[in-house]
Amino acid sequence: AQSVSQHNHHVILSEAASLELGCNYSYGGTVNLFWYVQYPGQHLQLLLKYFSGDPLVKGIKGFEAEFIKSKFSFNLRKPSVQWSDTAEYFCAVNEMDSNYQLIWGAGTKLIIKP
Amino acid sequence: DAGVTQSPTHLIKTRGQHVTLRCSPISGHKSVSWYQQVLGQGPQFIFQYYEKEERGRGNFPDRFSARQFPNYSSELNVNALLLGDSALYLCASREGSLEQYFGPGTRLTVT
Repeated sequence: AQSVSQHNHHVILSEAASLELGCNYSYGGTVNLFWYVQYPGQHLQLLLKYFSGDPLVKGIKGFEAEFIKSKFSFNLRKPSVQWSDTAEYFCAVNEMDSNYQLIWGAGTKLIIKP
Repeated sequence: DAGVTQSPTHLIKTRGQHVTLRCSPISGHKSVSWYQQVLGQGPQFIFQYYEKEERGRGNFPDRFSARQFPNYSSELNVNALLLGDSALYLCASREGSLEQYFGPGTRLTVT
């Protein structure tokens, strides 16, 4: 079965620190990749997505992610985090022949200390 | 424009009972997907419907069923509830693009 792995379940950073959250997937074919964020008390929101083209994609709130096909990875980055980035972050993958079904990682809880 | 709406927000049921969860997609969206999110895990795909037809089904038992209505709203039904069915049930809608828009979820607790 296809799977998505997020390496860190909990990350604690201070404000202004740089962030990188890892995401690896197991499917060898063509994929679409997503990062979603869930702020406390809110529903899942799309941060950014990769369908094709430039493997470095930029999303909302200063986030970016790089698709490295050879490593089956789609890591999320932000150069300088803010307290308001405290949230849970989910990586999700859609296989091109799967009728838009999303396979999700387990999520990473990010806590930013003010 | 209203986003994806789900009802009820919270629900408490007893083992063996049946539950119906409801979802209204964003206006104009014809595809609805259902996901189950157990505490501490990522969402798990249950069903996808498009134009009232089932287009995908995840690895869930037959106790789980769903349908989509002519107005594209959807219901998720779960029969013979088990303690392990306690979870947040998410509905997402989509039209055209691959991006799915999620509702706030229904928190189901089975006691």
